[in-house]
Amino acid sequence: DAGVTQSPTHLIKTRGQQVTLRCSPKSGHDTVSWYQQALGQGPQFIFQYYEEEERQRGNFPDRFSGHQFPNYSSELNVNALLLGDSALYLCASSWQGEGEQFFGPGTRLTVL
Amino acid sequence: GDSVTQMEGPVTLSEEAFLTINCTYTATGYPSLFWYVQYPGEGLQLLLKATKADDKGSNKGFEATYRKETTSFHLEKGSVQVSDSAVYFCALRVNYGQNFVFGPGTRLSVLP
Repeated sequence: DAGVTQSPTHLIKTRGQQVTLRCSPKSGHDTVSWYQQALGQGPQFIFQYYEEEERQRGNFPDRFSGHQFPNYSSELNVNALLLGDSALYLCASSWQGEGEQFFGPGTRLTVL
Repeated sequence: GDSVTQMEGPVTLSEEAFLTINCTYTATGYPSLFWYVQYPGEGLQLLLKATKADDKGSNKGFEATYRKETTSFHLEKGSVQVSDSAVYFCALRVNYGQNFVFGPGTRLSVLP
């Protein structure tokens, strides 16, 4: 049973560019949450997707957007990248947002 | 708003020493409490959890008790091993389906 998978593993972009990160949830899960983890800090909630809609959102600007597909996989898009967007982006999946959230290994984004 | 405070690290211990990592929280509701662990280069793994006052979560020799009167959920282990070296995150979730709120993390290094 595959766990949560994320791609790519690492990514380097320059300021002003756009980036798309991808997440496949654990088998049987239908809810995907995204978190940003800056170096030396705890994860910060970005948003959660359920039934292909954004169900909750944290305190992030609308440069951060997402999508969930019918197969429950999800994308995180960040536009107009800033240096401060450099972080580890974590995806977590659960069943209907309840119970334990299983985390993927993350995508390390570096903005130069 | 909801928040989690952890003792600052890094914490350095010798193998077989006793471990305590303090965690206190502020929440508007009645949260569930969690400890997650992050090994180098990996995502977060659930270590243990407690869903109501006086519950004790335990796993792999780690324990934490939900203390509503002191709003605390301190992590303890009687005898740490080198393999316990990681970053430990305390987290809360107020309701099912809601996002997690994480503390800043405490880095633990165990020396042989």
